Amino acid sequence: DQQVKQNSPSLSVQEGRISILNCDYTNSMFDYFLWYKKYPAEGPTFLISISSIKDKNEDGRFTVFLNKSAKHLSLHIVPSQPGDSAVYFCAASGDPSGTYKYIFGTGTRLKVLA
Amino acid sequence: ETGVTQSPTHLIKTRGQQVTLRCSSQSGHNTVSWYQQALGQGPQFIFQYYREEENGRGNFPPRFSGLQFPNYSSELNVNALELDDSALYLCASSFGGTVAKNIQYFGAGTRLSVL
Repeated sequence: DQQVKQNSPSLSVQEGRISILNCDYTNSMFDYFLWYKKYPAEGPTFLISISSIKDKNEDGRFTVFLNKSAKHLSLHIVPSQPGDSAVYFCAASGDPSGTYKYIFGTGTRLKVLA
Repeated sequence: ETGVTQSPTHLIKTRGQQVTLRCSSQSGHNTVSWYQQALGQGPQFIFQYYREEENGRGNFPPRFSGLQFPNYSSELNVNALELDDSALYLCASSFGGTVAKNIQYFGAGTRLSVL
């Protein structure tokens, strides 16, 4: 049962344009969401997070939007740069048992074309 | 501030063997989580240790076990290796095992190949 889904395995965007990466979740108990970026041969690097009490969080070129009613979040990167080319994972957390594990999606490979 | 370090980087084992993977947590962190990332998949939670106690476990069999030491470093042990255990094993450290909002910071992982 895939509780966090990233339905687009890959995305190509021109340099300078907006990249939009999407993520859907099924568990309404999730209350914290994160985006990680992963380069080859490196571990995932934290990018940005959002609590379920918010619907938007910005950090520089990165903005995460949360739509709780649709159980959907998205990451916007504006403007996109070639160095943003990586695999992006969304993750969700929020477990009544108290184990604050992250549930990850399968990732979206972003390629920013120069 | 030192980051999360994992050793070894790569490992090749044969089916039925046992393996130990190691993780040094980031300075100031007291919680370590372990994840398995199979090819083409996202990381899957194995278990978490907070102040040397297991603080939750994912859907992995008991042959996956762990330890956390007083300096908050950690080990992941896998017994009776199976071919499907071939994966990237990621360690993540954070502060405060019972606080959901603390960010987990990942190491570069150990690539395990089981032949």
